[in-house]
Amino acid sequence: QVQLVQSGAEVQKPGASVKVSCKASGYPFTSHLISWVRQAPGQGLEWMGWVRTFNGYTDYSQNFQGRVTMTSDTSTSTVYMELRNLRSDDTGVYYCARGGRSVTTDGEYYFDYWGQGSLVTVSS
Amino acid sequence: DIVMTQSPDSLAVSLGERVTIDCKSSQSVFFSSNGHNYLAWYQQKPRQPPRLLIYWASTREFGVPDRFSGSGSGTDFTLTISSLQAEDVAVYYCQQYYTIPLTFGGGTKVEIK
Repeated sequence: QVQLVQSGAEVQKPGASVKVSCKASGYPFTSHLISWVRQAPGQGLEWMGWVRTFNGYTDYSQNFQGRVTMTSDTSTSTVYMELRNLRSDDTGVYYCARGGRSVTTDGEYYFDYWGQGSLVTVSS
Repeated sequence: DIVMTQSPDSLAVSLGERVTIDCKSSQSVFFSSNGHNYLAWYQQKPRQPPRLLIYWASTREFGVPDRFSGSGSGTDFTLTISSLQAEDVAVYYCQQYYTIPLTFGGGTKVEIK
C-alpha cells in the first residue's frame, strides 16, 4: 500500500534552517510528483511547492521562493524540504502529499496520499 | 493566484440531516479541452492529515461513502453530505489544481447540533 512517512518534530530558533524528509513506498517513486503543504496552528492549508521526482524539477509558491528547496533522492525514494531563515510564523505542521503523475496529459494535481505531518516549531 | 472562498466557515447540523458546503473560485477552473473541472475536496479530522474525498469536482475517491457528493462547474462548487454521521465531524477544504500555485479554500468546520 502507498505510504508517505515523514521525519519527526523539530524545534528551531529564528534564523535557522530545517530539513524535513518524506519517504515514499508502495508505488514506483518516480511515477508521481510530491508536494509540500503547510498548516499553521488552527489555520488552513497552504501549498509550498512540488518536486518532479523523476528529474528533480521544482516549482515553488512565490510565498516561499528564495527560502525553500525541495529535492528528491531516487535511490532511497525520499523527498526533502528545506526551509531557511525561519521565522516564528513558520511554526506549523508540514505535510508531504502525492499529487499528479509525472507523465500526464490532464494535470490531475490533487493529493491522493498524505504523510502523517511533521511539526516544526520556531521559537527563541 | 486563484482565490478559493468557502462558505460557511462553520455549521452545526443534526445527525441524519443534509450538509451543504460551497466553494467559489476567483476564476474558472473548467478546462474545455477535456471537459474537466480542476476541483478537489478534502476532509480533515483533528490531528490527522487531510483525506481526499472528491476530485474532478464530482468523482468520489475509492472508499469514500456515497453520502458524499460533489457538484458544480466553472467557478461555483458544492460538497454535499446527504445524511450527516458522527464520524463526519471534521473540517472540509476545497482545492483548485487548474494552475499553480495550487490553492485551497479556508475550510468549513462541520459539527453536530
